Amino acid sequence: DAGVTQSPTHLIKTRGQQVTLRCSPKSGHDTVSWYQQALGQGPQFIFQYYEEEERQRGNFPDRFSGHQFPNYSSELNVNALLLGDSALYLCASSRLYQGNNSPLHFGNGTRLTVT
Amino acid sequence: EDKVVQSPLSLVVHEGDTVTLNCSYEVTNFRSLLWYKQEKKAPTFLFMLTSSGIEKKSGRLSSILDKKELFSILNITATQTGDSAVYLCAFLESRDDKIIFGKGTRLHILP
Repeated sequence: DAGVTQSPTHLIKTRGQQVTLRCSPKSGHDTVSWYQQALGQGPQFIFQYYEEEERQRGNFPDRFSGHQFPNYSSELNVNALLLGDSALYLCASSRLYQGNNSPLHFGNGTRLTVT
Repeated sequence: EDKVVQSPLSLVVHEGDTVTLNCSYEVTNFRSLLWYKQEKKAPTFLFMLTSSGIEKKSGRLSSILDKKELFSILNITATQTGDSAVYLCAFLESRDDKIIFGKGTRLHILP
C-alpha cells in the first residue's frame, strides 16, 4: 500500500522563478493538504484540497497556488520565488471526516532551495 | 488567533532518562490534539487525544490531555538514542481536517 509520495525530493531555483511540486495521496485518501516547514520551525499550513477545490487556506500570499486532479493527486505552485520560500514542503493526505485514525499521513517532502 | 506553544524548544538528556514534553494551546474550534515525531523528513503519527484525562500509551511513550487547562504532555520513559527527534504537537480543527502545528521540541538523547 503506497503511502504519500512527493516529487521531486530536492529542488534548487533562482529568485523570481516559478516552481511546481507534486503529491500523490495515500490510497483511499481524498484530501490533500500542503505545509511549509522552515528550518527549526513546525509545519505551517498552506492550503487544503478536496474534490478538486481549495477548502481552507492559511496565511500565505497568492503566489502560492494549487490544484487537485480527479485522481486526488495535487500540485503546489509557487510564483516569483523569494529567498524566504526556501523550506521543506510537506504534502499530507487524509480521508475527510475519518474516525479515530490519524487524520494526516505525510510524504517525505520536497526540499526547495531558492538562491 | 489559534496557536500551539510547545516547551521546551530543545532538550538534551542521557539514555535511560525520562522526559516530559509540554504543549499548550489556544483554539477556537478544537476537535483533537495530536502528537507527531519527526526524525528527518515526514512526521509520523504518535497519538490523537480527544477526551480529557484519558492516557494513551504506546510502549515507552504516553500522552494525556487536559481540556480544562488547555494543555497536553508527552512522556517518554527509559529513553533511547532512537528517540532523538523533533516532537510536534498540533490540534485538529472541528470544522475540517486542517491541522495547526507548534514549533516542536527538539529532543536529543546522549548515549
